[in-house]
Amino acid sequence: DAGVTQSPTHLIKTRGQHVTLRCSPISGHKSVSWYQQVLGQGPQFIFQYYEKEERGRGNFPDRFSARQFPNYSSELNVNALLLGDSALYLCASSNRDARDQPQHFGDGTRLSIL
Amino acid sequence: GDSVTQMEGPVTLSEEAFLTINCTYTATGYPSLFWYVQYPGEGLQLLLKATKADDKGSNKGFEATYRKETTSFHLEKGSVQVSDSAVYFCAFKTSSNTGKLIFGQGTTLQVKP
Repeated sequence: DAGVTQSPTHLIKTRGQHVTLRCSPISGHKSVSWYQQVLGQGPQFIFQYYEKEERGRGNFPDRFSARQFPNYSSELNVNALLLGDSALYLCASSNRDARDQPQHFGDGTRLSIL
Repeated sequence: GDSVTQMEGPVTLSEEAFLTINCTYTATGYPSLFWYVQYPGEGLQLLLKATKADDKGSNKGFEATYRKETTSFHLEKGSVQVSDSAVYFCAFKTSSNTGKLIFGQGTTLQVKP
């Protein structure tokens, strides 16, 4: 079975631009979470979607938004890019929205802002 | 607030040495605990988990025991290999936000032949 897939793998943008990152969860998984990982740090939670509804939001500005589609894939959008948005963006999926369910991660999208 | 503290790295060991990476957590609510591993240029892979007190998670020779009284979840392996070189993350989530993992800062392990 395919794991979590993310696209693109790498992206270079300039300040002020907009970016869309995409994620396909493991087949059958209905929960998708997004994380930002800055070099040398642990991932920071951005959003969770479950059954197409937003279930959680981290401490990120309104420039960050996301959505989940009927097939459970998801997009993360970032507007007005800043240099500080340079990071690895990780998508994770899980089978159920429960405390004991592990999240399975994709390989991420490396976003560089010039 | 909720947080995870891991021992500072890098941890440098010789092959076949014993590994311990310390992890303590502060959680509001009853957490499930996880260890993830990240190889260079890749995403995170689930290594093991424990969902209630005194549970022991294990996988690929790695073990960690959920210690509620000390709020700890230390990762151990009896004999490390060069292929274990990676960054290890301790994390948890609680019932109040089941889609949100709280991560530590990561501990880099370097194993030398």
